Amino acid sequence: TQLLEQSPQFLSIQEGENLTVYCNSSSVFSSLQWYRQEPGEGPVLLVTVVTGGEVKKLKRLTFQFGDARKDSSLHITAAQPGDTGLYLCAGASTSGTYKYIFGTGTRLKVLA
Amino acid sequence: DTGVSQDPRHKITKRGQNVTFRCDPISEHNRLYWYRQTLGQGPEFLTYFQNEAQLEKSRLLSDRFSAERPKGSFSTLEIQRTEQGDSAMYLCASSFAFGLTNEKLFFGSGTQLSVL
Repeated sequence: TQLLEQSPQFLSIQEGENLTVYCNSSSVFSSLQWYRQEPGEGPVLLVTVVTGGEVKKLKRLTFQFGDARKDSSLHITAAQPGDTGLYLCAGASTSGTYKYIFGTGTRLKVLA
Repeated sequence: DTGVSQDPRHKITKRGQNVTFRCDPISEHNRLYWYRQTLGQGPEFLTYFQNEAQLEKSRLLSDRFSAERPKGSFSTLEIQRTEQGDSAMYLCASSFAFGLTNEKLFFGSGTQLSVL
């Protein structure tokens, strides 16, 4: 069974601070996605990383896929209150069927 | 394009009752997924359709759960004889893709089920 563990589980920081969220697995994924979810809403896709070692930037957010495609990280620079939410990583299964396995989630709160 | 629509947004039911949820995907999206999410956790995969064919069903899904996608359009998820452990947010997502690379899932706002 492919599992994705995220750390930290909770994070509360002041506006302007930097942070990194980690997504780890013992399994290889063909691609990995990051989502942000607001309370009472469905997750919204932020980025997809496909190649081992790939780095993608989305404004203040930097996403990296591990060389072995087993892990990923999300770094936020100068966090803002609008970044508050539940961050989820999701790996594309390599089991031969099309499904995404979601991580355990990191709940981020950015205080003004 | 109005996005993925789920109905109802909230459902309160008594233990033992049957419930049915509906998902209307973005038009022409060929894939449709159902996930279940409990508070503070990541979504758990339930089942997946490619057009009208149900290609995979999670082992988490007991025989009380059934899903359909007639004609490859909207989908329904039915839970029979609900239990308190079924209380969760049920999320639907759709995409247009072949293969997994760069597939973009669009999620609905979910149906929040509370079983009393």
